[in-house]
Amino acid sequence: NAGVTQTPKFQVLKTGQSMTLQCAQDMNHEYMSWYRQDPGMGLRLIHYSVGAGITDQGEVPNGYNVSRSTTEDFPLRLLSAAPSQTSVYFCASSYRGHSGNTIYFGEGSWLTVV
Amino acid sequence: DAKTTQPNSMESNEEEPVHLPCNHSTISGTDYIHWYRQLPSQGPEYVIHGLTSNVNNRMASLAIAEDRKSSTLILHRATLRDAAVYYCILRFYNTDKLIFGTGTRLQVFP
Repeated sequence: NAGVTQTPKFQVLKTGQSMTLQCAQDMNHEYMSWYRQDPGMGLRLIHYSVGAGITDQGEVPNGYNVSRSTTEDFPLRLLSAAPSQTSVYFCASSYRGHSGNTIYFGEGSWLTVV
Repeated sequence: DAKTTQPNSMESNEEEPVHLPCNHSTISGTDYIHWYRQLPSQGPEYVIHGLTSNVNNRMASLAIAEDRKSSTLILHRATLRDAAVYYCILRFYNTDKLIFGTGTRLQVFP
């Protein structure tokens, strides 16, 4: 049982480049989400999904796109990277339907935009 | 969306109990109170959660005020491995969203 797997773990991008952060979970969770964490700060919700084909915006969605074609995968796309997107990104997943369900986080993806 | 308020930092000595407070005065009746912790360079990990009643598990205890406007995470005997940032989070019913605050950085001294 791998849990929540994020790739890549580290990435350096040039301003204007695009890339996709991958997130996969093997727990058949309906709910998946992406957070970013800037130094010394808490996590901020970027986008989330409550099932395949359904996505919604979180607190800081600008500059990011998501899609959810399968239950297992929830990729995060940076369309035109900016230095302000330098951050650590965490993917998370859980079962739906009950607010007491535990949320599982990946180990993080460290992104630097130069 | 309801927010939580926590002290920025707290200190404890090893083997002593630690009480980490959290205020959530705008909580609604169906919001669960979750606690997660984050060790350096790792993703957050689940600690405990509750709705109205006090909760215990192998990691910690959660004491919830009767009016639910505050809660306290209790680590019964702090160890060096408990040094982390602890986040008190409200999980919203129907939306499944988690909104993190800035958390409490717990330092544990030998």
